[in-house]
Amino acid sequence: DQQVKQNSPSLSVQEGRISILNCDYTNSMFDYFLWYKKYPAEGPTFLISISSIKDKNEDGRFTVFLNKSAKHLSLHIVPSQPGDSAVYFCAASAGNSGYALNFGKGTSLLVTP
Amino acid sequence: GAVVSQHPSWVICKSGTSVKIECRSLDFQATTMFWYRQFPKQSLMLMATSNEGSKATYEQGVEKDKFLINHASLTLSTLTVTSAHPEDSSFYICSAVARSGLGISTDTQYFGPGTRLTVL
Repeated sequence: DQQVKQNSPSLSVQEGRISILNCDYTNSMFDYFLWYKKYPAEGPTFLISISSIKDKNEDGRFTVFLNKSAKHLSLHIVPSQPGDSAVYFCAASAGNSGYALNFGKGTSLLVTP
Repeated sequence: GAVVSQHPSWVICKSGTSVKIECRSLDFQATTMFWYRQFPKQSLMLMATSNEGSKATYEQGVEKDKFLINHASLTLSTLTVTSAHPEDSSFYICSAVARSGLGISTDTQYFGPGTRLTVL
């Protein structure tokens, strides 16, 4: 059973606009959440993370929001750039990133000029 | 720093043969390495957790006799797919967690570039 869900398989956004990628989880034991960017035939590249003691973490153009009561997190990319086009995976663990990660199925983001 | 390599990057083999995939942490020692598998348009699914010097822990549904994992040193873990069949064709990705005191984050899982396995 999929404990981390990304219900939007794809998203298309114009350059300069905001990209919002969503992720839901079911396991209440998860307390650390990460977003990875992935290109085909490559390994995931870490983008940003958030622990359950926070509800927001920001790093440059990337911001992750966590709503624990709703078991929902989102990744905001502002402004979106064509180079952001990739598949974005949400991942969760019970512990920090050094523990096994549960991944969603990914959302393919296309940023058009 | 914190580079993880995998070899080979892609491999094609005949059904019934065995294939070994190596995962190396190039500039750090890894206490734990993970092996994931990704089928097309699917998520990365954890197969097993590998700790140096001990037996790997396999996730439910993953056959330990088919997917042999050896973590013989702090910088190398190998995954051997024994008697491979077409349904084993997938993208295999490893990750490594740094040992403490190396000056890089020990709370971060660093991923390799993946190995594409195609079984004919």
